Amino acid sequence: EVQLVESGGGLVKPGGSLRLSCAASGFSLTNAWMSWVRQAPGKGLEWVGLIKSKTDGGTTAYAAPVKGRFTISRDDSQNTLYLQMNSLKTEDTAVYYCTPRISGIDYWGQGTLVTVSS
Amino acid sequence: QSVLTQPPSASGTPGQRVTISCSGSSSNIGSNYVYWYQQLPGTAPKLLIYRNNQRPSGVPDRFSGSKSGTSASLAISGLRSEDEADYFCAAWDDSLSGRVFGGGTKLTVL
Repeated sequence: EVQLVESGGGLVKPGGSLRLSCAASGFSLTNAWMSWVRQAPGKGLEWVGLIKSKTDGGTTAYAAPVKGRFTISRDDSQNTLYLQMNSLKTEDTAVYYCTPRISGIDYWGQGTLVTVSS
Repeated sequence: QSVLTQPPSASGTPGQRVTISCSGSSSNIGSNYVYWYQQLPGTAPKLLIYRNNQRPSGVPDRFSGSKSGTSASLAISGLRSEDEADYFCAAWDDSLSGRVFGGGTKLTVL
């Protein structure tokens, strides 16, 4: 059974940094395309970025609003995905979900809340 | 402003059939698979439809997806009170090199 547990969210000041983690079980991160998707309070879903599977090159891609500030990486030995967020802005306030796509099917964790406020 | 366009709201009575539309362009829906998600209040999104019209295990066959050109639709038949939720469509966009979402449709069961 695929399970995802996001953690690392919290309150941070504008300009600060935060690293989110997504501990995965039931599958290997290296074999999946892993995305981060966020949802601001009361708003819709917004794709943040992804890291491709190892067989597909393991490259990353990012949405324009976060490019240059956010970095996605993974630790294969820990089967954990990370989202390093730097230069945070108030508009980055959202629940962040990690979501793997395995054989075309998306799985979702419970999300972790990031609040950027002074 | 979302890249994919959905109506902000939809409604129906129990037992009815409702459809939710999702309009895009040649760079997203027109050339890539469409996905649909259901989000119940206070919970994480859940995949309803993948690859245009495929249902994951456990999703009732009351839910169906279709795609034509640069538009897609989600149909819910035999509407039930527990279907009251937000529904989002999504697709990969070749021009943006990223996944794009619709703004979401809030379904109310009257």
